[in-house]
Amino acid sequence: DTGVSQNPRHKITKRGQNVTFRCDPISEHNRLYWYRQTLGQGPEFLTYFQNEAQLEKSRLLSDRFSAERPKGSFSTLEIQRTEQGDSAMYLCASSLDRGRLSPLHFGNGTRLTVT
Amino acid sequence: AQSVTQLGSHVSVSEGALVLLRCNYSSSVPPYLFWYVQYPNQGLQLLLKYTTGATLVKGINGFEAEFKKSETSFHLTKPSAHMSDAAEYFCAVRGMNRDDKIIFGKGTRLHILP
Repeated sequence: DTGVSQNPRHKITKRGQNVTFRCDPISEHNRLYWYRQTLGQGPEFLTYFQNEAQLEKSRLLSDRFSAERPKGSFSTLEIQRTEQGDSAMYLCASSLDRGRLSPLHFGNGTRLTVT
Repeated sequence: AQSVTQLGSHVSVSEGALVLLRCNYSSSVPPYLFWYVQYPNQGLQLLLKYTTGATLVKGINGFEAEFKKSETSFHLTKPSAHMSDAAEYFCAVRGMNRDDKIIFGKGTRLHILP
C-alpha cells in the first residue's frame, strides 16, 4: 500500500491558462474522489468515480472543470481558463467499495495558485 | 441532506490538558460520522469513525468521540494533549446509502500551549 499519490504538489499558473492534475489511487480501490479545499474551509466535494464511470458532479464543478478516469485507475482533473478563484488545494481520495462503508484515503493534495 | 457544524475555528489548550473539539451534525437519515486530522501540507488522515453499535468510539493517537443522537453531537476528546496534536481537525458526516458522499465541516485548528 503506497497510498494515494498526487502530482504535482504545487502549481503556479497565470490566469487564463489551463492546468491538469493527476491522482494515482491505492491500486485496488475502485472509488476515486476529488475535493477542493480553500483556506479556512473544509474539503468540498467536486466529483467521484466508480471505476471509470463518473457518478456524480458537484455544482461547484463549472464547465471549465473536467475530470477523467479512463481506465479505472489514475484520474486527471483539468481546469481550463483558470481564474484567481480557482486557487485552492485539490485533494484526491480513494476507497474500496464493497457495498459497505470503507474509509477514504487521501493524498497530500495539489496546491494551485492562480496569479 | 447532511451537514456538520464545528464550533470554534481555533481552540487552544495547554500541553497535558483535556482536548474537546465540538461537532454537531444534521442528517435526514442515520449518519455515519468521522473525525479526520490534517497536518500542514498534508492530506487528511482518519482518526475515528462511528457507523453503528457502540456510541463511544476510540481512534488513533488516544482520541475518542461519543455519538449522542439526542444532542446530534459527535464531540472529539483526548484526556491529555500533546504538542504533536497541533493540527486541523475535521468532523464529517455521510448517509448510509452506498452512493452518499462525505460532507466535511469547516475544521477546527488545535493549538497546544507549552
